[in-house]
Amino acid sequence: GQQVMQIPQYQHVQEGEDFTTYCNSSTTLSNIQWYKQRPGGHPVFLIQLVKSGEVKKQKRLTFQFGEAKKNSSLHITATQTTDVGTYFCAGGGNNDMRFGAGTRLTVKP
Amino acid sequence: EAQVTQNPRYLITVTGKKLTVTCSQNMNHEYMSWYRQDPGLGLRQIYYSMNVEVTDKGDVPEGYKVSRKEKRNFPLILESPSPNQTSLYFCASSLSGYGYTFGSGTRLTVV
Repeated sequence: GQQVMQIPQYQHVQEGEDFTTYCNSSTTLSNIQWYKQRPGGHPVFLIQLVKSGEVKKQKRLTFQFGEAKKNSSLHITATQTTDVGTYFCAGGGNNDMRFGAGTRLTVKP
Repeated sequence: EAQVTQNPRYLITVTGKKLTVTCSQNMNHEYMSWYRQDPGLGLRQIYYSMNVEVTDKGDVPEGYKVSRKEKRNFPLILESPSPNQTSLYFCASSLSGYGYTFGSGTRLTVV
């Protein structure tokens, strides 16, 4: 079945540094979604990408969907302490939505 | 306020004692899902529902049951809980099957 791999598992950065997490699938995805989970909280939907090569931005966050629709990335520019949490990608939807294991981001002030 | 409400937030129970975790959403969403979250494994889908009386298995359905008799409610039932079902559980709902809204979670411990 569809597998979604996410790397790195952990990332520790100094405040102000950039951060990137990568998501890779063994099969073509109909779409990719990104969620953020703060420590002790629940996942919160950030964005959905549908088109091949799509790039979307939310303030300091940039989301990309690969040309082959098998990979995606989330890049945060100039991290802040409020960015702390675990970022998950999820491929597909409905009955075939698979979450990556997540990248846990910590930010040192 | 639009939300997904799960209860209880925390539960400690003993092996074999039937339990139900309730989930309710007030957004008139068609799609609802249950996930369990374990360290290093991310979120794994247990069951999902695309509408009233329509449910199907996710990746890890063994030991769980669900029902969808009303659109707003999607309870998760553990008929005979075992220690390997100790986990953090999330209920989630969506209008379209994408972009899910998650509940606050239920931390279950089975001893």
